[in-house]
Amino acid sequence: QQPVQSPQAVILREGEDAVINCSSSKALYSVHWYRQKHGEAPVFLMILLKGGEQKGHDKISASFNEKKQQSSLYLTASQLSYSGTYFCGTEWADSWGKLQFGAGTQVVVTP
Amino acid sequence: ETGVTQSPTHLIKTRGQQVTLRCSSQSGHNTVSWYQQALGQGPQFIFQYYREEENGRGNFPPRFSGLQFPNYSSELNVNALELDDSALYLCASSGGTVKTQYFGPGTRLLVL
Repeated sequence: QQPVQSPQAVILREGEDAVINCSSSKALYSVHWYRQKHGEAPVFLMILLKGGEQKGHDKISASFNEKKQQSSLYLTASQLSYSGTYFCGTEWADSWGKLQFGAGTQVVVTP
Repeated sequence: ETGVTQSPTHLIKTRGQQVTLRCSSQSGHNTVSWYQQALGQGPQFIFQYYREEENGRGNFPPRFSGLQFPNYSSELNVNALELDDSALYLCASSGGTVKTQYFGPGTRLLVL
């Protein structure tokens, strides 16, 4: 019942854009996005609540499609610092406060 | 820096032993969640403590247990360690109306 993330990996050149998707088989209450660099803890990027609007963090933004039970993370004009593994954590309506994480999307940004 | 601390940073144990991991939550946060992250995978929810009570548990056996103290710090105990318990153990704190979970640096456990 983990959310499904796609793609598994993406390689970008600096300045390029990418989209990471996170799909749930259960009704979502919220979606939390994190980035984890090798050997470090996940760092919070943003949270999207059911019924909420699209969020942004610098040139990283995300949306939440309630109909599809899906969230998408948009990396715009990527920078070298965007490299890392991106995880979505989904909070279901029947398990408030508990996050189920996807397998992650590895992003490599090259000069 | 999230203000969430964990100790120890690294630990090596042998099969069958017991281990205790510690987590200090961010100031003002009353909820601590524990996650296990195996190499190359996403964090897996173990359990959550809210105001010293267990408040939900993932698909982990009873040999994984925990505690939360009045100052909201928390411990994760694992008995009868197995090789598959080798992983990064993360705690995350949250609190009040803030739903965001902030992760600590983790404890890397190796079971030989």
